[in-house]
Amino acid sequence: GAVVSQHPSRVICKSGTSVKIECRSLDFQATTMFWYRQFPKQSLMLMATSNEGSKATYEQGVEKDKFLINHASLTLSTLTVTSAHPEDSSFYICSAIGTDFNYGYTFGSGTRLTVV
Amino acid sequence: GNSVTQMEGPVTLSEEAFLTINCTYTATGYPSLFWYVQYPGEGLQLLLKATKADDKGSNKGFEATYRKETTSFHLEKGSVQVSDSAVYFCALSVAQGGSEKLVFGKGTKLTVNP
Repeated sequence: GAVVSQHPSRVICKSGTSVKIECRSLDFQATTMFWYRQFPKQSLMLMATSNEGSKATYEQGVEKDKFLINHASLTLSTLTVTSAHPEDSSFYICSAIGTDFNYGYTFGSGTRLTVV
Repeated sequence: GNSVTQMEGPVTLSEEAFLTINCTYTATGYPSLFWYVQYPGEGLQLLLKATKADDKGSNKGFEATYRKETTSFHLEKGSVQVSDSAVYFCALSVAQGGSEKLVFGKGTKLTVNP
């Protein structure tokens, strides 16, 4: 089956620094990857959609200069939280979908970001 | 627009009880419907799905039937176990702006006590 690996699972960083989160599809080519943010006890909020080789499409209200998304290959997308602040602390989850829709959307295991 | 409404939790049951988590949707076009499960501290796992009306998705004893007439996709399990304790998300997928997007409900937390 389809597997998506997300790394790191937890990260603590100082306010003002940048953090990069990686999302890899291990056994399929991910034509589209999605980045979500989940607040405590709430649903997933879609932040952006990225297609390989093109610029990400951000949802309304998401700062594209704050959350940089790169999808340079069919197996890797990265989310960089720039100049992180405590309010950026959250659970970030990626998902990917390939050309075989029978696999559906495959989710990474998430990254818990804490900004201190 | 596209949206998913699922029953608010939390839901607390005893082991071997019957589970129903209601989910209704609003969508333009013909969505695919999903149930995802999230265990504490983890990402989401696909539990089951249905891609067209009257389809029944099933997995690990859970079932849900795509009801177009009532725009519903209720999740059921006849006998829950402690290990089923998790947050359950109903979701739909619909083509939007040239790509498929998932729209999630708010999630229902289930706790099963021994």
